[in-house]
Amino acid sequence: SQQGEEDPQALSIQEGENATMNCSYKTSINNLQWYRQNSGRGLVHLILIRSNEREKHSGRLRVTLDTSKKSSSLLITASRAADTASYFCATVNTGRRALTFGSGTRLQVQP
Amino acid sequence: DAGVTQSPTHLIKTRGQQVTLRCSPKSGHDTVSWYQQALGQGPQFIFQYYEEEERQRGNFPDRFSGHQFPNYSSELNVNALLLGDSALYLCASSLAGQGVTYAQYFGPGTRLTVT
Repeated sequence: SQQGEEDPQALSIQEGENATMNCSYKTSINNLQWYRQNSGRGLVHLILIRSNEREKHSGRLRVTLDTSKKSSSLLITASRAADTASYFCATVNTGRRALTFGSGTRLQVQP
Repeated sequence: DAGVTQSPTHLIKTRGQQVTLRCSPKSGHDTVSWYQQALGQGPQFIFQYYEEEERQRGNFPDRFSGHQFPNYSSELNVNALLLGDSALYLCASSLAGQGVTYAQYFGPGTRLTVT
């Protein structure tokens, strides 16, 4: 079963704009990771945030984590057409070894 | 440095048949996990192999089984295929010492179609 919901399910923006995706989860976690998937192929790891961290940056990516609300957000700044993809959050739940994925956000960046 | 490789890329099978999918982990990795991704959904964890043993399993029936070889490569076997088994099957590798705390490296997947 899916861990939780991602919001929005689909997002269309213009190149240069920022894109924000949200993820909610249900159980206690060890860490939360964001992945990108192009055209139904393999997933690429973007960024990991541990349960004791609140914010993390990597290039144009900014991730926040609120464990009290069991939610995370991914911000992509100054988006490019090449950012067009599906984005998934995945949690590593406490005591588990597997990734539990959300349902994903499909991002379309218009050139 | 080779990444995770999977074979075949695409596969078409008939209901009731059996299928074997293969995965070679990223160089230096010793743990392999398998995921099933239905169209429009996020991947779902099937199981994880380490030291040639199944270390953890998701909510999948016994028709799904696997194997890990001494060179850390892995196979996923699905028996008595159902139409609902049609999906993208993803393999991910990692280093046991780092656990799932660190990034999983995914292969390109095998697209299985059951008719």
